[in-house]
Amino acid sequence: DQQVKQNSPSLSVQEGRISILNCDYTNSMFDYFLWYKKYPAEGPTFLISISSIKDKNEDGRFTVFLNKSAKHLSLHIVPSQPGDSAVYFCAASGGGGTSYGKLTFGQGTILTVHP
Amino acid sequence: DVKVTQSSRYLVKRTGEKVFLECVQDMDHENMFWYRQDPGLGLRLIYFSYDVKMKEKGDIPEGYSVSREKKERFSLILESASTNQTSMYLCASESNYGYTFGSGTRLTVV
Repeated sequence: DQQVKQNSPSLSVQEGRISILNCDYTNSMFDYFLWYKKYPAEGPTFLISISSIKDKNEDGRFTVFLNKSAKHLSLHIVPSQPGDSAVYFCAASGGGGTSYGKLTFGQGTILTVHP
Repeated sequence: DVKVTQSSRYLVKRTGEKVFLECVQDMDHENMFWYRQDPGLGLRLIYFSYDVKMKEKGDIPEGYSVSREKKERFSLILESASTNQTSMYLCASESNYGYTFGSGTRLTVV
């Protein structure tokens, strides 16, 4: 039962263009969403987050959009740079139960930015 | 900056061996987590702990156990390693920005 889904395993983009990574979730109790970036042989690093009370959060070249009615969020990277090439994971929390701080991750999307 | 340190970057173990993966964080965080990362499956939660000597099962706890005797250290134990436990193991500590991850341990069980 995959509660957080990233349906695109990979994305290839030209340098300078926009990268859009998508994420869908099924659990309506999720109220906080995060994006992580992972390079090979390193742990994931936090990129940007958004609370369910917002529909947009921006940090430099990175913007996350949340559409609660569609249970969908997206990460926009503008402009894309070769150094952005990595695996991007979407994550969600607030799924109820007794688990405090537990994050549920998607499968990841491999982003390749070509010079 | 929070630092999460995993003791080994690469490990090769034999089937049936008992394996210990160690994780240490330096920011006095209460919550710590163990995930494994597999291609096409993302990160899946094995176990987590919200205080010393406290532990809770994640989504895939079978074949694993954990130990949290001190706040800064969270150990993952493979009681009898099997080839399907070959994976990248990631430890995390909870901070204000979600998790801070260690660099991971690539475990191969042969």
